[in-house]
Amino acid sequence: AQSVTQLDSHVSVSEGTPVLLRCNYSSSYSPSLFWYVQHPNKGLQLLLKYTSAATLVKGINGFEAEFKKSETSFHLTKPSAHMSDAAEYFCVVSPWSQNFVFGPGTRLSVLP
Amino acid sequence: GAGVSQTPSNKVTEKGKYVELRCDPISGHTALYWYRQSLGQGPEFLIYFQGTGAADDSGLPNDRFFAVRPEGSVSTLKIQRTERGDSAVYLCASSSQGGGNTEAFFGQGTRLTVV
Repeated sequence: AQSVTQLDSHVSVSEGTPVLLRCNYSSSYSPSLFWYVQHPNKGLQLLLKYTSAATLVKGINGFEAEFKKSETSFHLTKPSAHMSDAAEYFCVVSPWSQNFVFGPGTRLSVLP
Repeated sequence: GAGVSQTPSNKVTEKGKYVELRCDPISGHTALYWYRQSLGQGPEFLIYFQGTGAADDSGLPNDRFFAVRPEGSVSTLKIQRTERGDSAVYLCASSSQGGGNTEAFFGQGTRLTVV
């Protein structure tokens, strides 16, 4: 069975400081991993995905994530937060040919 | 169309009524998913179609919930005898193949309110 743990329900950072959103997964198979972002009253948008190629994945808007198999982690980072980054972030695991399993989400607040 | 389209965007219904929620996936996408998102929570899987058939319906909470995709494109999620606990945003997504390497593209959702 697959599951996703997002260790922080809420993260607050100041504008211009680094962002770290943590994600750990459990999967019986070698999965694909994704980060999605959901802005208030907006649909889910893909930030980046890992599909067994390079372990460091670059996404949109300056975000990146590193796949660490030994730690079963896929943490999301950004060097410098922007006010527009304030949103809900979901880590997602998907084994081959199966559905997408979402984590509970981390709400990111960016303070001026 | 350019993206996944869901209609209606909002639906208010009385307890005990029947509702249908519609999803138009991206053209050519064989995989289609339904999720339910309650306030402050992550999307919860309901059902996954590969073509016309339900490849996995393990997320449907009970037999009041049913979904179809008769021609392998548009899908309808049907809820009978609605209950207040069914109130949530129902999300539809499609991908060019099931899970794995391809991402899912999500619609804006249908906000269902049962009063």
